[in-house]
Amino acid sequence: AQKITQTQPGMFVQEKEAVTLDCTYDTSDQSYGLFWYKQPSSGEMIFLIYQGSYDEQNATEGRYSLNFQKARKSANLVISASQLGDSAMYFCAMNNDYKLSFGAGTTVTVRA
Amino acid sequence: NAGVMQNPRHLVRRRGQEARLRCSPMKGHSHVYWYRQLPEEGLKFMVYLQKENIIDESGMPKERFSAEFPKEGPSILRIQQVVRGDSAAYFCASSPPDKVGNQPQHFGDGTRLSIL
Repeated sequence: AQKITQTQPGMFVQEKEAVTLDCTYDTSDQSYGLFWYKQPSSGEMIFLIYQGSYDEQNATEGRYSLNFQKARKSANLVISASQLGDSAMYFCAMNNDYKLSFGAGTTVTVRA
Repeated sequence: NAGVMQNPRHLVRRRGQEARLRCSPMKGHSHVYWYRQLPEEGLKFMVYLQKENIIDESGMPKERFSAEFPKEGPSILRIQQVVRGDSAAYFCASSPPDKVGNQPQHFGDGTRLSIL
């Protein structure tokens, strides 16, 4: 069975600073995908970034980057130059075949 | 908006009634997934469907819940004889038919179901 752990229930970050959201996972599979989603207070789920287990380079998408450490089974999300609009819940998820398993989420609050 | 469309956005039902949640996948996507999110929790997988086929319903309660994805029209998640514990946000996601395992699933805005 797959398990995703996000140990930070909530974080505060100052505007324009970077923030790292932790995610560790547990799986016995060799091929899997790791995803981060953002859920603002309005409730929708927004796809941010994807990392494949065989990808050698860390994924980046604009201000989002994924710090993938396969041996440690971690896939931390880094948000650079935080903006007020980044305040939201962030979920780490893992996909094997087709099912997504989600962590409990981390609430990020960006302060002006 | 060419994204995943879910309706209604909010649904209120009394205990014992039926709830029908609809999902139209993104254009070109033939795989649909339903997830449930209880308050303060992450999403939990319920069911995976392709056109006219249920591929995996292992996350769906055995009773009162059913899902379909007909040849024509949206995917439907049906909850019969609703109870208070069914109150949750229900999300639909879709993905294209190729490379299912490592494609991001694109989510709709969800249906918030409230049971009185």
